Amino acid sequence: SQQGEEDPQALSIQEGENATMNCSYKTSINNLQWYRQNSGRGLVHLILIRSNEREKHSGRLRVTLDTSKKSSSLLITASRAADTASYFCALIQGAQKLVFGQGTRLTINP
Amino acid sequence: DAGITQSPRYKITETGRQVTLMCHQTWSHSYMFWYRQDLGHGLRLIYYSAAADITDKGEVPDGYVVSRSKTENFPLTLESATRSQTSVYFCASSEGRIGDTQYFGPGTRLTVL
Repeated sequence: SQQGEEDPQALSIQEGENATMNCSYKTSINNLQWYRQNSGRGLVHLILIRSNEREKHSGRLRVTLDTSKKSSSLLITASRAADTASYFCALIQGAQKLVFGQGTRLTINP
Repeated sequence: DAGITQSPRYKITETGRQVTLMCHQTWSHSYMFWYRQDLGHGLRLIYYSAAADITDKGEVPDGYVVSRSKTENFPLTLESATRSQTSVYFCASSEGRIGDTQYFGPGTRLTVL
């Protein structure tokens, strides 16, 4: 099944630094979504980027999509302690079921 | 504006018992989903529903039963709970097509002894 693979699996940075995480996939997609999950909570949608888009912004978040390399990246600028969470990319598979990767655990150190 | 809620939030049960996890959404979203989240496996789709009375299997449906008699409710039943079903269960909904944004409930942590 189509599943995004996030990289790195874990990332620890200092508050104020930028955080970049990547998602790679194997087959063509209609769109790719990024979600955040705080510890003990449900997932929260961050950004949806369509296959004909190359970049989208939302506040301190920037998502890029390179369909030729079958990869996407999520950049969080000027990180804050509240950004500590797991981040997942999600892809459409076949009959349009959304398939989630295993996530990147981001820790922001004060 | 409650959004999407799950109950119970925590449940401990014994092997062989039947357990029902409840999911309720107030948006009248067409699609609803059940996922389980386990370390090492990420989030896996159990069942989903495109509308009332329309359900379909996801990646890991064995041992689970769903129903959707009303648009707003999507209960998940473990007919005879097993230890391997110990997990955190998330319900989600989306407005239109499955590829649209999904909105997640807070989760139910289920322990099967």
